[in-house]
Amino acid sequence: NAGVMQNPRHLVRRRGQEARLRCSPMKGHSHVYWYRQLPEEGLKFMVYLQKENIIDESGMPKERFSAEFPKEGPSILRIQQVVRGDSAAYFCASSYYGQEAFFGQGTRLTVV
Amino acid sequence: AQRVTQPEKLLSVFKGAPVELKCNYSYSGSPELFWYVQYSRQRLQLLLRHISRESIKGFTADLNKGETSFHLKKPFAQEEDSAMYYCALGGETSGSRLTFGEGTQLTVNP
Repeated sequence: NAGVMQNPRHLVRRRGQEARLRCSPMKGHSHVYWYRQLPEEGLKFMVYLQKENIIDESGMPKERFSAEFPKEGPSILRIQQVVRGDSAAYFCASSYYGQEAFFGQGTRLTVV
Repeated sequence: AQRVTQPEKLLSVFKGAPVELKCNYSYSGSPELFWYVQYSRQRLQLLLRHISRESIKGFTADLNKGETSFHLKKPFAQEEDSAMYYCALGGETSGSRLTFGEGTQLTVNP
């Protein structure tokens, strides 16, 4: 079991482009969480998904951000029309229901 | 609203000295508290959770509901303990969304 896999590890986008961040949960895990860490800040919850369902998106910005966790394939965090303020580390975690959440190594997004 | 406060961004101690990383929380329900650790260039990993009452790598943490605290302690720090430590608060169901503190960077000097 390779653990939670996030790719890419580093992503550079120009302002106005789209960023797609991928997260493959641990085998057998059906719950995925996305967190964002801005420079000099702690991790902030963004969204909680189960397969094909968004359970809690209370931490997601209202515009430009979306997330999905399809029946097949990784979870995707999508940021449209990126701005400099989107530069951050984005972490994904997965869990089996009610159990410990395991984290990926994160994707560091830089908007230039 | 859930909130976690780690008042120290940086903490530096000498090897063999006791260390305490502070964590205070606010939560109206029954809290689940966790400590996560991130060693240099590694992913965030769970260190311990209050419900298990374990001691991991010599660290312990006691939930004090009266003081709404969950401080992390170790009697004798080691150089390999140098890392970033995050206190996190979950809801009634463990594994659900977590609210993280801003982290404390612990440096253990030789």
